Amino acid sequence: DIQMTQSPSTLSASVGDRVTITCRASQSISNWLAWYQQKPGKAPNLLIYKASSLQSGVPSRFSGSGSGTEFTLTISSLQPDDFASYYCQQYNSYPLTFGGGTKVEIK
Amino acid sequence: EVQLVESGGGLVQPGGSLKLSCAASGFSFNSYPMKWVRQAPGKGLEWVASIKRDGSEKYYVDSVKGRFTISRENAKNSLHLQMNSLRAEDTAVYYCARLWSDGTTDHWGQGTLVTVSS
Repeated sequence: DIQMTQSPSTLSASVGDRVTITCRASQSISNWLAWYQQKPGKAPNLLIYKASSLQSGVPSRFSGSGSGTEFTLTISSLQPDDFASYYCQQYNSYPLTFGGGTKVEIK
Repeated sequence: EVQLVESGGGLVQPGGSLKLSCAASGFSFNSYPMKWVRQAPGKGLEWVASIKRDGSEKYYVDSVKGRFTISRENAKNSLHLQMNSLRAEDTAVYYCARLWSDGTTDHWGQGTLVTVSS
């Protein structure tokens, strides 16, 4: 099974900050990686697919990069609506696996 | 508008069974693979099962193999998850989600809570 290690688990930041979240795969997954945002009590929402493709309707301050085993999600200027949890997920092979999540909190 | 609405969750005793359903609308259901993902209270996301467009192939996480069965009724735009021999660790919100052919998950339902407790 491919393990996805996400860091940090918690991040404290202020509005306007540049934020970076990292996801590492235990083996190469090419670019088969997605990033989701989840707010309390809500379903996850797709932000980035195929490592760097921005989902339709998602603000351009979100971006993804990486391939192989190392990936990053960057929020260029954190907005109040961005305080949430973020998850990466590999879909290179079954079983599909998620990172442990990153909670972005207000500093 | 794509809509996925889960139902069937509730309280069940350990060892019991429950069948979840997901009603799909706003898209050609038979053109998309589907999956179930769960989230235990206060925990992260865990993929449970996936099914191809025509139901010909199904995949499961090891922890549910032999206990859960994913199925679909394309004529009724419905996805199901039959859960047997339920355990306390199966307690979670269960989400159905739509997949693209390359595996990208683009739409999720609102979730249904399953609680396994005596």
